[in-house]
Amino acid sequence: KAGVTQTPRYLIKTRGQQVTLSCSPISGHRSVSWYQQTPGQGLQFLFEYFSETQRNKGNFPGRFSGRQFSNSRSEMNVSTLELGDSALYLCASIPDRRGEAFFGQGTRLTVV
Amino acid sequence: AQSVTQPDIHITVSEGASLELRCNYSYGATPYLFWYVQSPGQGLQLLLKYFSGDTLVQGIKGFEAEFKRSQSSFNLRKPSVHWSDAAEYFCAVGASNFGNEKLTFGTGTRLTIIP
Repeated sequence: KAGVTQTPRYLIKTRGQQVTLSCSPISGHRSVSWYQQTPGQGLQFLFEYFSETQRNKGNFPGRFSGRQFSNSRSEMNVSTLELGDSALYLCASIPDRRGEAFFGQGTRLTVV
Repeated sequence: AQSVTQPDIHITVSEGASLELRCNYSYGATPYLFWYVQSPGQGLQLLLKYFSGDTLVQGIKGFEAEFKRSQSSFNLRKPSVHWSDAAEYFCAVGASNFGNEKLTFGTGTRLTIIP
């Protein structure tokens, strides 16, 4: 059973640019959650998508957005990048039942 | 709103010694509780979870955790650590539907193993 795939693994962007990260969940999972991990703030919930609809949202500015496609793949976008957006972005694939949230290896974003 | 406290930022133990990592949560309803482990530069791997039932939960790699409602705690234990257990450990509480869509994490405990 294939795991959660996040692409790319590493990214370097310049302040003011925008970036798109991708997450392919486990086959059959319809829900995807996104998290930001930084040394200062730790792991913080960004948003969750279920069947192409945003179902839950964390406390992040509007520069952070996401979407989900009909095949459950999800993308998150950060516009007008700031230095503080440098982080490991983790995607979790969620089954439609109680149980484990399966995490990908993450995308390491560095903003310079 | 829910919250998780991991009071120990860094713990060092000798290989073969026992381990206990502390976790306290704040949540109005019955919590869904998790312990995850993260190796450097990697994603999160689930060690164990609690949804209901038996308050002593067994997980992978010889880990266990005990849910104590009266103390709002969910401490992780292992009787004998191995060098490969060196990593960062996160306690989390789940809110919403199935308890796993929106996790609130603690700040983590970094575990160092001395040979």
